[in-house]
Amino acid sequence: GQNIDQPTEMTATEGAIVQINCTYQTSGFNGLFWYQQHAGEAPTFLSYNVLDGLEEKGRFSSFLSRSKGYSYLLLKELQMKDSASYLCAVVDSNYQLIWGAGTKLIIKP
Amino acid sequence: NAGVTQTPKFRVLKTGQSMTLLCAQDMNHEYMYWYRQDPGMGLRLIHYSVGEGTTAKGEVPDGYNVSRLKKQNFLLGLESAAPSQTSVYFCASKPARELNEQFFGPGTRLTVL
Repeated sequence: GQNIDQPTEMTATEGAIVQINCTYQTSGFNGLFWYQQHAGEAPTFLSYNVLDGLEEKGRFSSFLSRSKGYSYLLLKELQMKDSASYLCAVVDSNYQLIWGAGTKLIIKP
Repeated sequence: NAGVTQTPKFRVLKTGQSMTLLCAQDMNHEYMYWYRQDPGMGLRLIHYSVGEGTTAKGEVPDGYNVSRLKKQNFLLGLESAAPSQTSVYFCASKPARELNEQFFGPGTRLTVL
């Protein structure tokens, strides 16, 4: 079967750094997405990795290791507005998105 | 350019009632999707469409039907609503098969009593 694992909830302090991990086992791999979802809103695109390595975009970075079935999202200089759920999703061999359950990130002042 | 829109935003139904959720996109995307999102679970695919006039089952299709008569619209129907269908429903679209980013509508919060 297909499986994506990420922590249910994490807590971090404003101004700090947090890393959210995602491990996956899917039928094929055509890329991995990270989406951000604020409570009561739709998911919005954060990052996309298809090759191994680190992709940096401002305060957010995403890393992928295809051989290990592993990705992480790194958030730097945390702000209160970063309080949200972060969803990991893998593109499988049929170009469908397989979604993790999401990690709820709580930022404390 | 409105992107992906969904109608209605909220709805309360009684068990056994029927309703249709409408998704519309103005980006000329070929692929459209209906997901449901429940607490503690990832987005689960209900049905999807790879183009006008086509539909296919996803992971959790039972109790739902869909139609894609026009390229820009994707309708999700509940023929006889059940409390287990209480959920938040998201529609998404993308341009083509290998273009992987999906664009989401704002969601419909449905409660079935």
